Amino acid sequence: KAGVTQTPRYLIKTRGQQVTLSCSPISGHRSVSWYQQTPGQGLQFLFEYFSETQRNKGNFPGRFSGRQFSNSRSEMNVSTLELGDSALYLCASSQPRGLDLAQETQYFGPGTRLLVL
Amino acid sequence: SQKIEQNSEALNIQEGKTATLTCNYTNYSPAYLQWYRQDPGRGPVFLLLIRENEKEKRKERLKVTFDTTLKQSLFHITASQPADSATYLCALDISPNAGNMLTFGGGTRLMVKP
Repeated sequence: KAGVTQTPRYLIKTRGQQVTLSCSPISGHRSVSWYQQTPGQGLQFLFEYFSETQRNKGNFPGRFSGRQFSNSRSEMNVSTLELGDSALYLCASSQPRGLDLAQETQYFGPGTRLLVL
Repeated sequence: SQKIEQNSEALNIQEGKTATLTCNYTNYSPAYLQWYRQDPGRGPVFLLLIRENEKEKRKERLKVTFDTTLKQSLFHITASQPADSATYLCALDISPNAGNMLTFGGGTRLMVKP
C-alpha cells in the first residue's frame, strides 16, 4: 500500500496570507489527524477527522481549520498567517478502531514545511 | 496540567551498547503508550505500542516497559547501531472518545557512535 502523502512538501508564504495543505491517507484509512511540529513546542495535535466530521480538536486558534472529503482525503487551512505558524505540518492516518489490531497506530506522512516570512 | 516528559538532552552511546530512553507522564491514565522514531525532516514512524496491562513488550532489538504506578515507560535498544541514531518520541492518546488524539513528549535524540 502507498503511504500517506502530503502536498506540497515545501511552502513559503508571507504574513497575512492563507495556506491550504493537502493529505491523502493510506487506502482504507478513514481517520486523518493533523499535527504541527516546531522546535520550541514539539509535536502538537491540531485536529482529527473521521468520516468527514471533526472528531477531536487541539488547542489552536480558529485560524486553523480543516476538512475531510468523502474519499478520506483531508485538507487543512491556516488563515491570516503569522510568523509563528512556520512549522512542519504532519498528517497521519489510521484505521478505525475495531478493524485492526494496531488501530491505534498512526501512520505519518512526510510533512509540509511551511515558512512564513 | 497534563504533561509528558522525555529527557530533552541528547543521549550519546557507543555502538553495541544498550540505549535506555525514559518517558514520564503526569495526570494521565492512559490505556496504552506508543513509541515513535523520527529522522530529520521526516514524519514519525511507529515502533511499539504497550497497553496498561502489559509490563513489557519486545520487538527484535527493542523493548518497552510500562509502569502505570510510576507513570513511566522505558524504551531500550539493545546492541545499538549507528543506524539507530534518531529522535525517539513517546506518545499517549488522550482522546475522550474513540478517536485519535496523540500527545507527544518532546523527544530524545539518540546518537550512536561507531
